[in-house]
Amino acid sequence: QVLLVESGGGVVQPGTSLRLSCAAAGFTFSTYTIHWVRQAPGKGLEWLAVMSPDGTVKYYADSVKGRFTISRDNSKNTQHLQMNSLGAEDTAVYHCARQGDTYRWFFDYWGQGTLVTVSS
Amino acid sequence: EIVMTQSPATLSVSPGERVTLSCRASQSVSTNLAWYQQKPGQAPRLLIYGASTRATGIPARFSGSGSGTEFTLTISSLQSEDFAVYYCQQCDNGVTFGGGTKVEIK
Repeated sequence: QVLLVESGGGVVQPGTSLRLSCAAAGFTFSTYTIHWVRQAPGKGLEWLAVMSPDGTVKYYADSVKGRFTISRDNSKNTQHLQMNSLGAEDTAVYHCARQGDTYRWFFDYWGQGTLVTVSS
Repeated sequence: EIVMTQSPATLSVSPGERVTLSCRASQSVSTNLAWYQQKPGQAPRLLIYGASTRATGIPARFSGSGSGTEFTLTISSLQSEDFAVYYCQQCDNGVTFGGGTKVEIK
């Protein structure tokens, strides 16, 4: 079955960096687009970033543009989110999610998420 | 940015009741709209995409309708496992989510 498993979360101080990973299984990773979505505690969902299957196209939400970088390694069925200059507003559960359609950006499978807490 | 507004924020219902959730877009998103269900501590689960197509494995009691700026998710007869938060999401121009509707036990 399709599995997405995030890792790399933790408690970090403001201004520092963190790298999240999303490991995929159960489907041909190299042909699917994977997105990152976060959810602050008790809040709604916020889309963050996307990378095309071949890695040539990347888009970011304005809230993270210039601070977060998305990458992927198709040989390891893994996508990463490098997060720099973290602030308290970045505290959230970070999910990776598989795009369910070639052209439309809805998400048919989600990982359980990894919690990032930014606190001094 | 397209703003998605869901109403009501909270809905108190009894099992077996018919439930209608609303989602409004600040500009037309055609039928590029999805609905998700999220239970505490769990990831969102895709229910509906393309405004009205049920995702794989989703029971027939869930149905979606609408186009343009007005959308509805209907649960024909609420089951105990349906108490959750429901989010709509547009994918016509980027991705934005609504604030969610919590369906709670009356």
